[in-house]
Amino acid sequence: GAVVSQHPSWVICKSGTSVKIECRSLDFQATTMFWYRQFPKQSLMLMATSNEGSKATYEQGVEKDKFLINHASLTLSTLTVTSAHPEDSSFYICSARDPQGGEKLFFGSGTQLSVL
Amino acid sequence: KQEVTQIPAALSVPEGENLVLNCSFTDSAIYNLQWFRQDPGKGLTSLLLIQSSQREQTSGRLNASLDKSSGRSTLYIAASQPGDSATYLCAGGSSGDKLTFGTGTRLAVRP
Repeated sequence: GAVVSQHPSWVICKSGTSVKIECRSLDFQATTMFWYRQFPKQSLMLMATSNEGSKATYEQGVEKDKFLINHASLTLSTLTVTSAHPEDSSFYICSARDPQGGEKLFFGSGTQLSVL
Repeated sequence: KQEVTQIPAALSVPEGENLVLNCSFTDSAIYNLQWFRQDPGKGLTSLLLIQSSQREQTSGRLNASLDKSSGRSTLYIAASQPGDSATYLCAGGSSGDKLTFGTGTRLAVRP
């Protein structure tokens, strides 16, 4: 099946710093990618929809100035957590659909962010 | 707003047992219903996708059903194996590929 690569797998940073997470579709082009967040023992929650060449669409309650999304090419979307705080510590995961592969969504391996 | 609930939250069974995981959703106007597997600290693996016009899908030892009228889906795992131990998530899909996830069922299959 299609492959979505996410990097890094885990990151530890100091409070106040910014962290960038990359999501790449390796063998297909994705005009749309999705960013989810998962707190321990909770479900995945959609944060935003990343649109190639245009602004991302954020879900209610997600601060667009804090979670910067850039989808500059058809194979890469990035999520930057700006001025990270301990409450931003979470598991972040991206997904995309291969237009040639039906309706299944393919997910990256996720990024565990720990903010000290 | 779609809400997805999964029961039970956790399940422990001996190897070889057949089991059923339950998923319920509030908005019957779903586009599709997907089941995923998540291993600890890892990403999601898509297991089965049932379109709104379908009633079930099968893949190997897995069978998923969908009943839109009652807002329910079940994932049936036959002859469970220790390698099946993981968290199983169901998600209701809406147009635009947005997914609403349940909280998952943590499955442990004992050797």
